[in-house]
Amino acid sequence: DAKTTQPNSMESNEEEPVHLPCNHSTISGTDYIHWYRQLPSQGPEYVIHGLTSNVNNRMASLAIAEDRKSSTLILHRATLRDAAVYYCILRSDQAGTALIFGKGTTLSVSS
Amino acid sequence: DTAVSQTPKYLVTQMGNDKSIKCEQNLGHDTMYWYKQDSKKFLKIMFSYNNKELIINETVPNRFSPKSPDKAHLNLHINSLELGDSAVYFCASSQIAGVAGELFFGEGSRLTVL
Repeated sequence: DAKTTQPNSMESNEEEPVHLPCNHSTISGTDYIHWYRQLPSQGPEYVIHGLTSNVNNRMASLAIAEDRKSSTLILHRATLRDAAVYYCILRSDQAGTALIFGKGTTLSVSS
Repeated sequence: DTAVSQTPKYLVTQMGNDKSIKCEQNLGHDTMYWYKQDSKKFLKIMFSYNNKELIINETVPNRFSPKSPDKAHLNLHINSLELGDSAVYFCASSQIAGVAGELFFGEGSRLTVL
C-alpha cells in the first residue's frame, strides 16, 4: 500500500476552520483517499473519501490536489468534539483490501 | 441499537490463559475485521472475513484464531495469552470487501494480560 505523511499534531481554536494536510506522493491511479478519525477512548469513525474530485459531506470537505499527490481535510468550524486523531489512508481499488492506518494527526481544539 | 458491538469491553487475565472476544454487527454487512491497537496507538489489521470466509490474515501468531459462525458475527479467540497481547482490539464491518466500503468500528475491547 502507498504511504501517507501527516503532521504529528495540529492545534485549532473553536469555531475556526481547520485544514489537515496529507501527502501521498506515491499514490497509484486506483487508490482512493480515505479519512477516518478516532475520538478519545472510541473506535475510529469514517469521515470522508474521494478519488479525484473534491468531496463534501456533513462532517467535512476533502480537497484533492490535481496531481493527487496531496490532499487536505477541511473542518469548516472546529468544535471541542472534533479533538481527535485524524488518519489519512490510501485504499486500493481491489476487493478484500483493509484500511492500513498510519500515525495520523492529533488535533487539539481550544475554547 | 449499536451497529457494531463487542463484548467484553474490558478483560483482565493472567498470562497463559485462553480468552475470547465477541463481535456482532446488525448492519447487514458482508465483511468483518479485527484490528489491534497497541500501547503506542498504532492500529493494525489482523483478520478480515467476507461472508464467513477468511480473506485477510496478516502476520499474526497462531495463538489468535478468528471464527465467523455467520456473517453477522466474528469472534476472536486467543490461546496462551502473553504480556504483549495487551491492547485494545477493535472489530469493524463494511458493506462490501472493497474500496467503497466505509468501515464501521466497534468501541473496542481492552485486554490486559498480567
